[in-house]
Amino acid sequence: AQSVTQPDIHITVSEGASLELRCNYSYGATPYLFWYVQSPGQGLQLLLKYFSGDTLVQGIKGFEAEFKRSQSSFNLRKPSVHWSDAAEYFCAVGAGSYGQNFVFGPGTRLSVLP
Amino acid sequence: GAVVSQHPSWVICKSGTSVKIECRSLDFQATTMFWYRQFPKQSLMLMATSNEGSKATYEQGVEKDKFLINHASLTLSTLTVTSAHPEDSSFYICSARAGDRERSPLHFGNGTRLTVT
Repeated sequence: AQSVTQPDIHITVSEGASLELRCNYSYGATPYLFWYVQSPGQGLQLLLKYFSGDTLVQGIKGFEAEFKRSQSSFNLRKPSVHWSDAAEYFCAVGAGSYGQNFVFGPGTRLSVLP
Repeated sequence: GAVVSQHPSWVICKSGTSVKIECRSLDFQATTMFWYRQFPKQSLMLMATSNEGSKATYEQGVEKDKFLINHASLTLSTLTVTSAHPEDSSFYICSARAGDRERSPLHFGNGTRLTVT
């Protein structure tokens, strides 16, 4: 079975600073990897996904993520954080014919200082 | 893009009553929908997989008789919390896959905040 870890429970950055959120996964085959963002009291919004091909994927809101097979990682990055980026971020691995084995990481809460 | 609508966004009910939460895919058909529960400051926990026209598949530890799931059409799944108790208070989120292929990402509703008094 697959698993996902996000080592950082809470990260605080200043507005305009760069950001990197870590995600490590465990899965026996080629994983399908996702990053979702959740604002307080809201559902989840897909930021980006990786299936195959170019290991650097671009997402919405200026986010990007890089798949590194050797490190079993899929870290999320943004060069300049905006105050509106404050939210909870979830990394996820999808597997199974209908995605029933869609496993989320524990999440990383991002706070942004003005 | 694919939109999933969840209703209501919040509900307060008395202990012992039942509450129904709807999950609709607005611009696509979803043969499979998923229901999650999220406790404060925690990640989502998959409760069950809702299959159109057949019985839902529940995760281990989820009470089937307490959390009734019905997927009557390709655009609607409902979760009914029966005989609700305060410990059922939580944030419930549904999701649907726009397409049958496993590469299709999940699209999530905005969630329902359930408070049982």
